[in-house]
Amino acid sequence: AQTVTQSQPEMSVQEAETVTLSCTYDTSENNYYLFWYKQPPSRQMILVIRQEAYKQQNATENRFSVNFQKAAKSFSLKISDSQLGDTAMYFCAFMKLYSGAGSYQLTFGKGTKLSVIP
Amino acid sequence: DAGVIQSPRHEVTEMGQEVTLRCKPISGHDYLFWYRQTMMRGLELLIYFNNNVPIDDSGMPEDRFSAKMPNASFSTLKIQPSEPRDSAVYFCASSFSFWDQETQYFGPGTRLLVL
Repeated sequence: AQTVTQSQPEMSVQEAETVTLSCTYDTSENNYYLFWYKQPPSRQMILVIRQEAYKQQNATENRFSVNFQKAAKSFSLKISDSQLGDTAMYFCAFMKLYSGAGSYQLTFGKGTKLSVIP
Repeated sequence: DAGVIQSPRHEVTEMGQEVTLRCKPISGHDYLFWYRQTMMRGLELLIYFNNNVPIDDSGMPEDRFSAKMPNASFSTLKIQPSEPRDSAVYFCASSFSFWDQETQYFGPGTRLLVL
């Protein structure tokens, strides 16, 4: 079974600054995807970014980027130029692919509560 | 596109009552997932369907929970009888297998409170 660990229950950052959220995972699989989802106070789950394990290049989406270290099983999220609207819970998630039990299921970490301070 | 639609958004019921949660996936999506979110257990997968067929229901907590998908545009999650420990936010998500299948799009969730 896969596990996802987010070791920082809460973090805060000043507006316009940069913050990095940590995520580690444990799996014996070679083909998988990793995701970061954002959950603002509205409770909606919003996809922030995704990373294919077979790609060495780190994914980026505007102000959001990841540092994917496959050997270390680490997948951190960097938010640059933090904005007040970034205040939310952030969940790291793992998805096994292609065959066998558990394929296409998301396994979530416990989340990191990020507060952006004006 | 309207996105994944869930109803009701909020439900308050008394212990022992039947609760039915509803989900309409994004049109054309062939995977549908039901998740439950609680403070204690976080987000956990309950069951998922592919082409209306249940593929894995190992996350369904007990026989009081059941899910159906009678057609490609509708799914229900039923709890009968409900218990206070079922109080949680229930999310439905969908994805499309022919491209971008790895990305699940979530509905707004149903917040359930069982008294």
